[in-house]
Amino acid sequence: EDQVTQSPEALRLQEGESSSLNCSYTVSGLRGLFWYRQDPGKGPEFLFTLYSAGEEKEKERLKATLTKKESFLHITAPKPEDSATYLCAVQGDNAGNMLTFGGGTRLMVKP
Amino acid sequence: NAGVTQTPKFQVLKTGQSMTLQCAQDMNHNSMYWYRQDPGMGLRLIYYSASEGTTDKGEVPNGYNVSRLNKREFSLRLESAAPSQTSVYFCASHRWGTYEQYFGPGTRLTVT
Repeated sequence: EDQVTQSPEALRLQEGESSSLNCSYTVSGLRGLFWYRQDPGKGPEFLFTLYSAGEEKEKERLKATLTKKESFLHITAPKPEDSATYLCAVQGDNAGNMLTFGGGTRLMVKP
Repeated sequence: NAGVTQTPKFQVLKTGQSMTLQCAQDMNHNSMYWYRQDPGMGLRLIYYSASEGTTDKGEVPNGYNVSRLNKREFSLRLESAAPSQTSVYFCASHRWGTYEQYFGPGTRLTVT
């Protein structure tokens, strides 16, 4: 059974204070690891897909990296508008079309 | 492109009532999904449709039925609502050849 654990559950940062969010996973053959952003009252918004260990993807102040056991979402010099819940999900070889989601990290960036 | 749309945005039901949640996508995606999101439980898959004419159970299908009406539309039906079905429901879709799913804005359902 695929499993995803995200840490921390909540993270408070000052504007400009860089940090990382962690996504640990166990999966029987990784097809893809996905990062989403979710604002309150809205649906998850797709950010990145990572397919293999060593891969990195960047978008503005966000950078996602992947190892064989975990993924990190690095946030460089965050701004208040980066405040949201960040979700990690995996799709394994035995999962068909199913994604397994972690519980998310709620990020709050104070000005 | 509206992407994935869902109706209604909010709904309150009494125990035992029935309702259908509607979902439509205009991205010409083949596969569509229904999830529920509960505090502390994350997003869990209820049902999915890999292509028009097919549906399969996900992790938490009990108490729900689905219909893939055509390539654009995928509906979720609660035949006899229970308080345990109080949740936020999201519809998603994706195109063959990719794995990333795109989500709608959600329906917040309360069953009293």
